[in-house]
Order: sequence, then C-alpha cells, then structure tokens
Amino acid sequence: AQSVTQLGSHVSVSEGALVLLRCNYSSSVPPYLFWYVQYPNQGLQLLLKYTSAATLVKGINGFEAEFKKSETSFHLTKPSAHMSDAAEYFCAVSVDAGGTSYGKLTFGQGTILTVHP
Amino acid sequence: KAGVTQTPRYLIKTRGQQVTLSCSPISGHRSVSWYQQTPGQGLQFLFEYFSETQRNKGNFPGRFSGRQFSNSRSEMNVSTLELGDSALYLCASSLVDSTGELFFGEGSRLTVL
Repeated sequence: AQSVTQLGSHVSVSEGALVLLRCNYSSSVPPYLFWYVQYPNQGLQLLLKYTSAATLVKGINGFEAEFKKSETSFHLTKPSAHMSDAAEYFCAVSVDAGGTSYGKLTFGQGTILTVHP
Repeated sequence: KAGVTQTPRYLIKTRGQQVTLSCSPISGHRSVSWYQQTPGQGLQFLFEYFSETQRNKGNFPGRFSGRQFSNSRSEMNVSTLELGDSALYLCASSLVDSTGELFFGEGSRLTVL
C-alpha cells in the first residue's frame, strides 16, 4: 500500500518569494508521483509527474519537483511566487500494478498556498 | 477539445434519498475514475471504470456504485443518502496507458440535508 504526507496544510509566501511545498511518500514498490493544483470551485489540474525517468521534473507555470528516493520525498518548488499561484496543491502517488491501476491515485491532504502582495 | 463534463454541478438531497451523477470524459479517453472530496477526509478514490468494467474500487460501502457505458460516459449512484455523503464528487478521465495523468471535471457538489 502507498501513502502520501504533505507537511503543512497552509503555506503563506510573499509575491516573488520562493515557493516550497513538501511531500513525503510511502510505497513498497517504485512509485509514480504527481502534483495537482485545485483552484476554488474547480477540479484538479496536473502540474507535473514523475514516472522513473529524470529525478528533476519540470511542470507547468514554472513549477518543478525533485524525486529523492533516499528521503522518500517529492517536494514542489517555484523560484518566484505569483498572485495567480494561490490555490490548493495536492501530492499524489500511484504504482504500476501491471496496468490495472491507472486511474487510482492516493492523495495527500493538500496544502493551501496563499500569496501576499 | 472539450474537457471532462460533470452534471449536475450542484444538488441538494435529503437523507434516505438516492442520487445519480453523470460524467462525460474527454473524447478518446476510455478510463473514468471517481473521487470523493471532503474537508475532513480529503480526496478519496471511489472506483475506476475501463471498457464498461470496474477495474478498481476504493473503500466505500455498497451504497456507492457506478457504471460505464459503451461511449465511455460514466455514472455513479449513491443510495440511501447519509449526511456524511455531502461532498464534492470529482470525475476524471485518462488515456489507457497514462498512469496517474488524470483530467478532472469541475465536480458535482452534493449537499445532504
């Protein structure tokens, strides 16, 4: 079984500051890892995904995440926050169970990012 | 390309009633998954359908059911509604071989009174 822990349910930064959202995972097999973003009253949108290729993954809107197996972490970063980044961010994990779990993700509890002017 | 469409967007039901939610996936996507989102439990996987067959099921009681049609559209049903079923129900579609890359609809917000 796999699980995800997001450290910090709320993160507040100033516009232009570094964004760091923390995610640790637990998985008995090599995981696939994802970050999704949810804006108010909307569904989730995929920011980026790690599927055992490069450990540093670049996503949309200037976000990137680094897979660190030794630390079982997949933290999300963005060098300079923008007001439009304010949203809730979810880390998620899945495993390749022989092609039988494509749509089944285990999500973390989410981190609400607030960006101050 | 049209996104994932969920209907209705908002609905109010009373305890004991049943509800049916509908999801139209992105054209060409044959896998449809359903998730329940609540403030307390977060996002929880309900079930996944592919080619009209349930491929995975989450840890929910039998009151929660779903189905998929030949055109990949999906419905989920909740019978004998309880107050705790109040939630945002999200549908997501994906390509067959794209693990975890889900495209979500805006959800159906169910309130049970």
